[in-house]
Amino acid sequence: NSKVIQTPRYLVKGQGQKAKMRCIPEKGHPVVFWYQQNKNNEFKFLINFQNQEVLQQIDMTEKRFSAECPSNSPCSLEIQSSEAGDSALYLCASSLSRDWGGTLYFGAGTRLSVL
Amino acid sequence: GDSVTQTEGLVTLTEGLPVMLNCTYQTIYSNPFLFWYVHYLNESPRLLLKSSTDNKRTEHQGFHATLHKSSSSFHLQKSSAQLSDSALYYCALSARNSGTYQRFGTGTKLQVVP
Repeated sequence: NSKVIQTPRYLVKGQGQKAKMRCIPEKGHPVVFWYQQNKNNEFKFLINFQNQEVLQQIDMTEKRFSAECPSNSPCSLEIQSSEAGDSALYLCASSLSRDWGGTLYFGAGTRLSVL
Repeated sequence: GDSVTQTEGLVTLTEGLPVMLNCTYQTIYSNPFLFWYVHYLNESPRLLLKSSTDNKRTEHQGFHATLHKSSSSFHLQKSSAQLSDSALYYCALSARNSGTYQRFGTGTKLQVVP
């Protein structure tokens, strides 16, 4: 069983509503990633953190998406104004290292449906 | 930029037949790390195997793959498919100096039938 905990498992929002999901990384893992798995099962990288600092993010996340990984609290990903195209499985993963060989440990995901 | 190509979206196999899922990649960096992740329905994706060593076979849970830098490939193989192997399989690439995240292929759904 995964030690990366994501909540909620399911999230239903109307267009224009905020959608927030949370992730507790595996203990001792300082690096956290958010990926979006779309209806075609494609993984799209959104953003990653090392401890509380953003390492990298794609353009999409700079506009409607916000994310943080505060100290001693779950990481979160929030969509400020949901759109139908945001409906997807959002996967959080953590890693021991930001090195290029580091294994990703995934949570079970939050499935967002935007009606 | 870096990319991963998985040419088969769906592979349907009869139990007992060999499995081969294709993965090729593009990167300008000479020392890539390649990964295979497996995603079973209603479970978390998890690592199946990984490698950064050229021409060395890597094995785990009956699956194996060999990184061939000359052909930029990292195909996943298994000698005999089992019903329980039915899942989504993703190939991923990470390269030093090429960003801080792994780039995934589009995935291959493996369906093993009796």
